[in-house]
Amino acid sequence: QSVLTQPPSVSGAPGQRVTISCTGSSSNIGAGYDVHWYQQLPGTAPKLLIYGNSNRPSGVPDRFSGSKSGTSASLAITGLQAEDEADYYCQSYDSSSYVFGTGTKVTVL
Amino acid sequence: EVQLVQSGAEVKKPGESLKISCKGSGYSFTSYWIGWVRQMPGKGLEWMGIIYPGDSDTRYSPSFQGQVTISADKSISTAYLQWSSLKASDTAMYYCARSCSGGSCHYFDYWGQGTLVTVSS
Repeated sequence: QSVLTQPPSVSGAPGQRVTISCTGSSSNIGAGYDVHWYQQLPGTAPKLLIYGNSNRPSGVPDRFSGSKSGTSASLAITGLQAEDEADYYCQSYDSSSYVFGTGTKVTVL
Repeated sequence: EVQLVQSGAEVKKPGESLKISCKGSGYSFTSYWIGWVRQMPGKGLEWMGIIYPGDSDTRYSPSFQGQVTISADKSISTAYLQWSSLKASDTAMYYCARSCSGGSCHYFDYWGQGTLVTVSS
């Protein structure tokens, strides 16, 4: 049972901006632990998209950005592209365990 | 280039044992943690546990403690996930992933390609 809650799905037209929320609690995000984001394209392994709340690994387009406030975090995708259609997961730390969000499917209309 | 290469797909019967592997290359295998993540069909990601090959320090998710065993052989840069008695509910894709050590570095920067485990009578 995931301790980080995400909306099941979000959608947007090409070029639009979409955001995905990740809601935690005082034992994980609210305790000061960083939030990280992964993109999982259909049939492939997850890929690190954002680490340390707002940092992008080399090669990740700057269309992707992350933020954190209180017990929640958000991933924003600006200038949505067809290739962004995928599942997105947030991840943090809680009671000596790595914890993942419930996952959000992004659909490009 | 950092790579994690996992062993191939497995089809097993309930009650059988299984050990799958994850071989790291392109980095110092003993200086990073290796975690295992389960993804059941059509479902999300679940953290199972993690091992530090440098000293074999191992941590398990409470959900998987006692259900699986995580190990590593640093001489061949390989981590393992094993079951002693599989159940149909173990059918899933299993990923290994690298995590850096120290401080607030609790994320997975490189992932294996996944190993599909199917348990069916």
